[in-house]
Amino acid sequence: KAGVTQTPRYLIKTRGQQVTLSCSPISGHRSVSWYQQTPGQGLQFLFEYFSETQRNKGNFPGRFSGRQFSNSRSEMNVSTLELGDSALYLCASSLERNSPLHFGNGTRLTVT
Amino acid sequence: QKEVEQNSGPLSVPEGAIASLNCTYSDRGSQSFFWYRQYSGKSPELIMFIYSNGDKEDGRFTAQLNKASQYVSLLIRDSQPSDSATYLCAVRATGANNLFFGTGTRLTVIP
Repeated sequence: KAGVTQTPRYLIKTRGQQVTLSCSPISGHRSVSWYQQTPGQGLQFLFEYFSETQRNKGNFPGRFSGRQFSNSRSEMNVSTLELGDSALYLCASSLERNSPLHFGNGTRLTVT
Repeated sequence: QKEVEQNSGPLSVPEGAIASLNCTYSDRGSQSFFWYRQYSGKSPELIMFIYSNGDKEDGRFTAQLNKASQYVSLLIRDSQPSDSATYLCAVRATGANNLFFGTGTRLTVIP
């Protein structure tokens, strides 16, 4: 069974631009969560989607948004990029909301 | 106080020894606990999860949970150089699906 697939793997953007990251969960998994990983803050929760609805949101500004489609695929958008948004963005899927999370390979975003 | 605390290490053990990784958490209502392994430049990989007090064994890995002490640990028996990685402890938030992660313990297994 294929794992969680994230695209693209690497992105370089400049300040003020916006970016969209994509995530395809493991087949049959209905919950998709997004995390940001930085050397200083570690892994921090962004948001979770289940049945196309945002169920939970972390402590990030409104520039960070996401959505989930009917096939459980998810996208995350960051607008008006700042240098501090440079990070590894990880998508994780789980079978149900209380199941273990499985992470994708991540998208490494660099903002210059 | 952070939700999940781990000793950042580094922790070095000789090949074949037992590596012991520890984690404490602050939310007494937490019910689900996870250990992830992350190699440098890679994403976290789930290696163990535990929901009940006591021990849970899977191959060379044993997860231990003590809810009264709010303590989770991971034992790696017969440590191999390929076990060298950062180990992340994660706790599911009460009533939600998001995980709180510790900062990770870097383990080095010396051949």
